Amino acid sequence: QLQLQESGPGLVKPSETLSLTCTVSGGSISSSSYYWGWIRQPPGKGLEWIGSIYYSGSTYYNPSLKSRVTISVDTSKNQFSLKLSSVTAADTAVYYCTIVVVPAAPYWGDWFDPWGQGTLVTVSS
Amino acid sequence: QSVLTQPPSVSGAPGQRVTISCTGSSSNIGAGYDVHWYQQLPGTAPKLLIYGNSNRPSGVPDRFSGSKSGTSASLAITGLQAEDEADYYCQSYDSSLSGSCVFGGGTKLTVL
Repeated sequence: QLQLQESGPGLVKPSETLSLTCTVSGGSISSSSYYWGWIRQPPGKGLEWIGSIYYSGSTYYNPSLKSRVTISVDTSKNQFSLKLSSVTAADTAVYYCTIVVVPAAPYWGDWFDPWGQGTLVTVSS
Repeated sequence: QSVLTQPPSVSGAPGQRVTISCTGSSSNIGAGYDVHWYQQLPGTAPKLLIYGNSNRPSGVPDRFSGSKSGTSASLAITGLQAEDEADYYCQSYDSSLSGSCVFGGGTKLTVL
């Protein structure tokens, strides 16, 4: 059973770049069955999809974050990563990594399962 | 302002039935994209509850059911239990935003 674990700094200064890594265990990140994604949740608020990546490197991002986001994959380490540049206090959130299920017909539209436990990143000087 | 609209809160007594609505538009639910539901217990990560509008993953009790019609979807919980107290989120795909996965704002379920 695939499991995911986020890691990275819990505190980032404004204007700097937030960097997080998700380690996949219980299976290969090179599996053709899945995409890999990042979702965030500001304290006390709802969920926001950040972006997704296939093991080949193809990506798709939330248009509202696209100019600041880079998601990459390292198949040798069975990891994928998130970089968010020029952060502000509004980027303070719990960041989750997740498997993105990209279904075949008759389903239409990705879903997320399972999720990592999440890691809180605070943007503050 | 979420693309998908959910009521902020619902409540019900143990044993009762509650429903949570998720209203979208012609560029997401109304375009035919599936709706998925997640349960987030306090202090934990979201967990997939319903996928493809009405399908339950293995291990999810049949007290939980989903449906979709037009530009809206609903999650129904029957035989309400104290352990169901959580936040619930709907999720779909929106074609008007250069292709983007979108969530509802979430609904807090309180078991009275």
